[in-house]
Amino acid sequence: NAGVTQTPKFQVLKTGQSMTLQCAQDMNHEYMSWYRQDPGMGLRLIHYSVGAGITDQGEVPNGYNVSRSTTEDFPLRLLSAAPSQTSVYFCASSYMGLALTGELFFGEGSRLTVL
Amino acid sequence: SQKIEQNSEALNIQEGKTATLTCNYTNYSPAYLQWYRQDPGRGPVFLLLIRENEKEKRKERLKVTFDTTLKQSLFHITASQPADSATYLCALRSNNLFFGTGTRLTVIP
Repeated sequence: NAGVTQTPKFQVLKTGQSMTLQCAQDMNHEYMSWYRQDPGMGLRLIHYSVGAGITDQGEVPNGYNVSRSTTEDFPLRLLSAAPSQTSVYFCASSYMGLALTGELFFGEGSRLTVL
Repeated sequence: SQKIEQNSEALNIQEGKTATLTCNYTNYSPAYLQWYRQDPGRGPVFLLLIRENEKEKRKERLKVTFDTTLKQSLFHITASQPADSATYLCALRSNNLFFGTGTRLTVIP
């Protein structure tokens, strides 16, 4: 079991460029989510999904898009990168949505710098 | 506005002592509360969950309390060890899962 796999681990972008952060899980989890972590701000929810074909916005969705075509994959797209999107991004998944234990399994993070 | 506050950014204690971390929240009605551990450069790892109708939960050297009247959770690590040094995050399940900013614990040998 690989758990939650995120790629790339590091990325540097220029303002205005677009990119996709990849997230895959092999635990057959229904719930998947993206958080960003900034110093002093904690983890903030960007987007989440409760199953294939279903996505919804979190606290800070602006500037990001997601899709969920399969149970395993949940990519995060930055449409036009801005310096304010410099952050560490974490993908997380959970079995049975948040209704059971709600324990989140996190990936190792993707560190993004926007110049 | 909704807030989740962890008592301090950093906490230093001597090895063998009990570390107590605090999580206070406002304007949430959480169904449960969780604690995670995060090591530098890694993703958070789940430790414990406590539900709104539970007062206390234990796991090995860890103990969590949950007081919905005070809107507070306490996280205790007894007989602390240098290997317990990490950042500890509390998270509330409301309509989604919301995290505090974390407390960086350093256990000094």
